[in-house]
Amino acid sequence: EVQLVDSGGDLVQPGGSLRLSCAASGFTFSDYDMNWVRQAPGKGLEWVSYINRRGDTIYYRDSVKGRFTISRDNVKNSLYLQMNSLRAEDTALYYCARGQSGSYYEVSAFDYWGLGTLVTVSS
Amino acid sequence: DIQMTQSPSSLSASVGDRVTITCQASQDIRNFLNWYQQKPGKAPKFLIFDASNLETGVPSRFSGSGSGTDFTLTISSLQPEDFATYYCHQYHHLPPTFGQGTRLEIK
Repeated sequence: EVQLVDSGGDLVQPGGSLRLSCAASGFTFSDYDMNWVRQAPGKGLEWVSYINRRGDTIYYRDSVKGRFTISRDNVKNSLYLQMNSLRAEDTALYYCARGQSGSYYEVSAFDYWGLGTLVTVSS
Repeated sequence: DIQMTQSPSSLSASVGDRVTITCQASQDIRNFLNWYQQKPGKAPKFLIFDASNLETGVPSRFSGSGSGTDFTLTISSLQPEDFATYYCHQYHHLPPTFGQGTRLEIK
């Protein structure tokens, strides 16, 4: 059974940093591209970042470029999101999401999601 | 960014009803459109990919259609477990973007 367990969310002050983690199991992690998707309280879904299976192709949404860094460890079956210079508008539930394999594009459908980890940016 | 507009934003229906949700893209996305279901406090669940392909394990009462800019999600006969929020999602252009969601409620 595919499982994605997100962790690392916390209350942090504006300008602070956090590192989110996602532990994967039930599939061959190194065979899949991965993403982070967030959802502000009571709002819709917003894609944040993508990393391919080898970790050598990475994309970010514009609002997090230069502040967030996505990475992965295929030995530890883990995905990470280093978040720096956090802003109030980064407050959200952050989900790691597996990319569907065999898609036409690199960033494709999100076929499995973690339960999310809550990041709150407030003073 | 490509804007995805869903309608209606909310919908009340009864068990057994046929329901259709529409999603319109601000530009041509061919068939690179997916649908997800989200229940309160839960992660989204993947339903349909590439506009009309049912993900494995998704009940056949769900179906999707469309191409270009106009898409639909249809539930042929609503079941109690289908009351949730539904999101469309395009991945033809970066960044991938979602619709604002359609909340399906029990009448």
